[in-house]
This record gives sequence, structure tokens and C-alpha cells, in this order.
Amino acid sequence: EIVMTQSPATLSVSPGERVTLSCRASQNINVNVAWYQQRPGQAPRLLVYGASTRATGTPARFTGSGSGTEFTLTINSLQSEDFAVYYCQHYNNLPPLYNFGQGTKLEIQ
Amino acid sequence: EVQLLESGGGLVKPGGSLRLSCSASGFTFNSYSLNWVRQAPGKGLEWVSSISSRSNYIDYADSVKGRFTISRDNAKNSLFLQMHSLRVEDTAVYYCARELNGRSAIFDSWGQGTLVTVAS
Repeated sequence: EIVMTQSPATLSVSPGERVTLSCRASQNINVNVAWYQQRPGQAPRLLVYGASTRATGTPARFTGSGSGTEFTLTINSLQSEDFAVYYCQHYNNLPPLYNFGQGTKLEIQ
Repeated sequence: EVQLLESGGGLVKPGGSLRLSCSASGFTFNSYSLNWVRQAPGKGLEWVSSISSRSNYIDYADSVKGRFTISRDNAKNSLFLQMHSLRVEDTAVYYCARELNGRSAIFDSWGQGTLVTVAS
């Protein structure tokens, strides 16, 4: 089983700053990574898939990158609505795989 | 606008059963694979089950295999999760989620969730 490890668990930053979230896979998964944002009390929302493709409606300040085992989600100029929990996910359709990381909580410093 | 609306959650005793429903609108329901993803209180996301557009591919997480059954009614734009032999550790918010582009395993739309509490 492929394990997705996110770091750090919690990140304290100030509005307007740039932040990079990390996600590491336990083995090579090419670019089969998605990132989700979950605001308090809300359902998750797809931000990025294919490691770097923004989903419909994802603001340009969100940038995903990486391949193989190392992946990052960078958020430029943090807005108040960006303070949330972010999950990375390894996905595969043959066979179907849906492994989530444990999440990184972005909190206001 | 894509909408997914879950219902059927509630309080149930260990060993009990519950049936969740997800009503969909705003897209061609019979063209998409659908999933149930759950989130225990204060915890992360855990995929539970998947069903393809024509119900010919069905998968379950090991943690629910043999106890949960996923199904869909394309004529009624509805997804279901029948849960039996419920355990305390099944307590979670259950989300209905649509897959992007067929069987991509990428969840591009989510419902707001329904809370299932298993307690005596």
C-alpha cells in the first residue's frame, strides 16, 4: 500500500504570505496526486489534480508541482479564506486507489 | 450547478444498520462514477466505496468490506450506501463524491455530508 505523508501537520502563517505544503509518497506514483481544501464545517473541495492541473474554479494563487514521490502545493499571497486543512491524495484507476494524506492545517499566525 | 445532497444519517447502536442516500442534480448522473468518503470527528478523509456509472465496477475499503453495500439508481439520480453491523469506529460524516472523468479516482464534487453516529 502506498502511504501519503504530509508535512507539517500544522502551519502558522500570516495573510499575504506565501506558503508551501508538502506531500511525500512511499513509492513512485508519477503525477497521480490531487490536492483538496477543507474549510471548517465544509466539505472538501478539489483544488489540483495530476499534480499540477488546477481544477475548475481554483484561483491562480494555488500551484501544484512535483512527480515521483515528492509533491508540493504552493499558495501565494494567502487570503483569509485559504486558512483551512489541505489533503493530498494518491489516486489510480486501475486498480482503483484512493489514499489520502493525513492533512496539513493552515492557521493564522 | 452540480449538487449532491446526502441524507439518512443518524444515531444507531453498535450492530445496527443504516441506509444513506445521495440525491444528485446538475449533471448527467449516469455518466459518472460515484463514491462514499467518510471523515471521523476531528480526523482525516477515508475513502469507503466506489461504484461506476453502470454499476459494473464496485469497490470497498477493507474496513467496510462485507458490511457495507453501495448501489445506485440512475433513473432516480440517486446513490445509496447500505450499512450493516455498524461499529463505533464507523462514526463519521459520510460524503457523497463524484469522480472526474469516468473512473479517474479524482473527486471533483462533494456533498455536504451526513453524520452517522454509532453509540450505545
